[in-house]
Amino acid sequence: DAGVTQSPTHLIKTRGQQVTLRCSPKSGHDTVSWYQQALGQGPQFIFQYYEEEERQRGNFPDRFSGHQFPNYSSELNVNALLLGDSALYLCASSLDPGAGNTIYFGEGSWLTVV
Amino acid sequence: GQQVMQIPQYQHVQEGEDFTTYCNSSTTLSNIQWYKQRPGGHPVFLIQLVKSGEVKKQKRLTFQFGEAKKNSSLHITATQTTDVGTYFCAGLPSGGSNYKLTFGKGTLLTVNP
Repeated sequence: DAGVTQSPTHLIKTRGQQVTLRCSPKSGHDTVSWYQQALGQGPQFIFQYYEEEERQRGNFPDRFSGHQFPNYSSELNVNALLLGDSALYLCASSLDPGAGNTIYFGEGSWLTVV
Repeated sequence: GQQVMQIPQYQHVQEGEDFTTYCNSSTTLSNIQWYKQRPGGHPVFLIQLVKSGEVKKQKRLTFQFGEAKKNSSLHITATQTTDVGTYFCAGLPSGGSNYKLTFGKGTLLTVNP
C-alpha cells in the first residue's frame, strides 16, 4: 500500500515562472491538504481539498491555487514565483481530518526559486 | 488567527538525559497532534490527543493534553541518538468546520552520544 506520493521531489524555477506540484494520496483517503514549510519553520497550511472542492484556505495569496481530481489526487499551482516561495511543499492526506483521523505526509517537493 | 507556540526552540542533551517540549495554543483545540521530522525528511505522525487531561505513552515518549485543551507537552525519557529531529505540535481548532491544522515552529532536539 503506497503512502502519499509527491512529484517532483526537487525543482528549480526562475522568478516569475509558474510551477505545478502533484500529489497522490494514500489509498482510500479522500482529503488532501497542502503545506508550505520554509527552512527552520513549521509547516504552514495552504489549503485543503475534499470532494474536488477547496474546503478551507490558509493565509496565502491567490497566486497559490489547487485542484483535486475525481481519483482524489491533487495539484498545487503557484504563479508568478517569488524568491520567498522557495520552500518544501508538503502534501498530506487523510480521511475526514475533523473526525480525528491520522494525517499522513508525503516526502515533499523541494522548490528553489532563483 | 490561531497561533501555536512551542518552546524551547532548540534543546541539546546528553544521551540518557530526559527531554521535554511544550506547546501552547491561543485558542481551544479539538485535538492536538505531534510529529517528528528528521533532518531532510518529512513530518511523521506520532500521536493525537483528543480528551481534556489525556495522557498517552509510547515506549519512552509521554504525551499530555492540558485540561483546558490549549496546551500540550511531549516528554522523552532517557534520550537516544535515534531521537534526534524536530518535534512539532499541531493543533486543530475546536468548534465548527475548521480543518486548518496549525503547527508550532518545532523543537530541534540534538543528542550527544
